Amino acid sequence: GQQLNQSPQSMFIQEGEDVSMNCTSSSIFNTWLWYKQDPGEGPVLLIALYKAGELTSNGRLTAQFGITRKDSFLNISASIPSDVGIYFCAGQNLPSGGGADGLTFGKGTHLIIQP
Amino acid sequence: GAGVSQSPSNKVTEKGKDVELRCDPISGHTALYWYRQSLGQGLEFLIYFQGNSAPDKSGLPSDRFSAERTGGSVSTLTIQRTQQEDSAVYLCASSPAALTPTGQETQYFGPGTRLLVL
Repeated sequence: GQQLNQSPQSMFIQEGEDVSMNCTSSSIFNTWLWYKQDPGEGPVLLIALYKAGELTSNGRLTAQFGITRKDSFLNISASIPSDVGIYFCAGQNLPSGGGADGLTFGKGTHLIIQP
Repeated sequence: GAGVSQSPSNKVTEKGKDVELRCDPISGHTALYWYRQSLGQGLEFLIYFQGNSAPDKSGLPSDRFSAERTGGSVSTLTIQRTQQEDSAVYLCASSPAALTPTGQETQYFGPGTRLLVL
């Protein structure tokens, strides 16, 4: 099946620093999504990207859908304590003929912020 | 709120027992998804429903896993003869529609059921 490589696996940063994480795939996706998961909770959608080359912001978050459709990055500017959590990238394809619609997830980036 | 709910939130069972996990999607959402999250791993897609039908069951790990959805709403994921490797968090998500032309649909996740098989 499709594999997503997400890096880094974990990040230890100081409050106020910028954060960057990325995902690459061996195959093309037509949608890229970034989720955040807090302990004991389900993932919550942060940003969705639908077009190759698309750059989208949501507050301090910025994500881009790579031109090749095989990669995406997520940046967080001026990190704050509540940014702590696990960030997942996910790829999705919606085949025109129907079929599985599930997301393929990366293994996550664990963000730890030191005050 | 009116989010996706799952029950039980935690389940401890003995190896060999059957378990049933329940998902209540957001009202009106036609698509429903099951994922499994093992310790330290990302989320693994298991199955999805469009209405009451599941077009693709190939993500289910083994024939001990089955899922059904009735009335286009509640779904249950059943694991028969549980094994220790079934221990994981089982997450359910729903979305308004699965096959939109632009693909602009968002999956909303429930809090998950934490299953521990002893």
